[in-house]
Amino acid sequence: KNEVEQSPQNLTAQEGEFITINCSYSVGISALHWLQQHPGGGIVSLFMLSSGKKKHGRLIATINIQEKHSSLHITASHPRDSAVYICAVKRGLSPDSNYQLIWGAGTKLIIKP
Amino acid sequence: EAQVTQNPRYLITVTGKKLTVTCSQNMNHEYMSWYRQDPGLGLRQIYYSMNVEVTDKGDVPEGYKVSRKEKRNFPLILESPSPNQTSLYFCASSLSNTAPQHFGDGTRLSIL
Repeated sequence: KNEVEQSPQNLTAQEGEFITINCSYSVGISALHWLQQHPGGGIVSLFMLSSGKKKHGRLIATINIQEKHSSLHITASHPRDSAVYICAVKRGLSPDSNYQLIWGAGTKLIIKP
Repeated sequence: EAQVTQNPRYLITVTGKKLTVTCSQNMNHEYMSWYRQDPGLGLRQIYYSMNVEVTDKGDVPEGYKVSRKEKRNFPLILESPSPNQTSLYFCASSLSNTAPQHFGDGTRLSIL
């Protein structure tokens, strides 16, 4: 079983829909990252969370440490949101531990006009 | 402009011919990493560096070398490339161990 699981693997939705992508992990972590990979290949860091909730524009990321679960939400989705969304966790309860991240396999999101 | 620059962006080469992929960042970041991305496997870390002259193995270091002689540069060296190293490679840097990572645009390597 992978230490970081994302669901769904693929998601197709209509423009305007509310999108939720989930990430579950099975190890102790000190931080969780959400990243976006565009069809052209470029990767952009969206959020880094260690607790609670963060919002940037139409994107909202939440994390529940007790349940070992995080969600990425997109409100009023748009075709330009089409991308692969990747969750990655930093293993270890101490932020000063090693620099290795455990990566989810990604969720491919397609937003149709 | 703050950026991570990888070169080359694309390379087709043959088995056994040594190659280097360069990575440079202009943000004075201490932490740098190399990843490879393969279909169905996601991103896997090859090597990382937490400071000048400090490097460590990631999940898939076999067949690769790195060096960190200066803070801004973190080259990835394939001494004797093989076809199973055909992949999309990303370099990333971050200010600290827990800060968001900044990624280069990627290097697509094909080893024939």
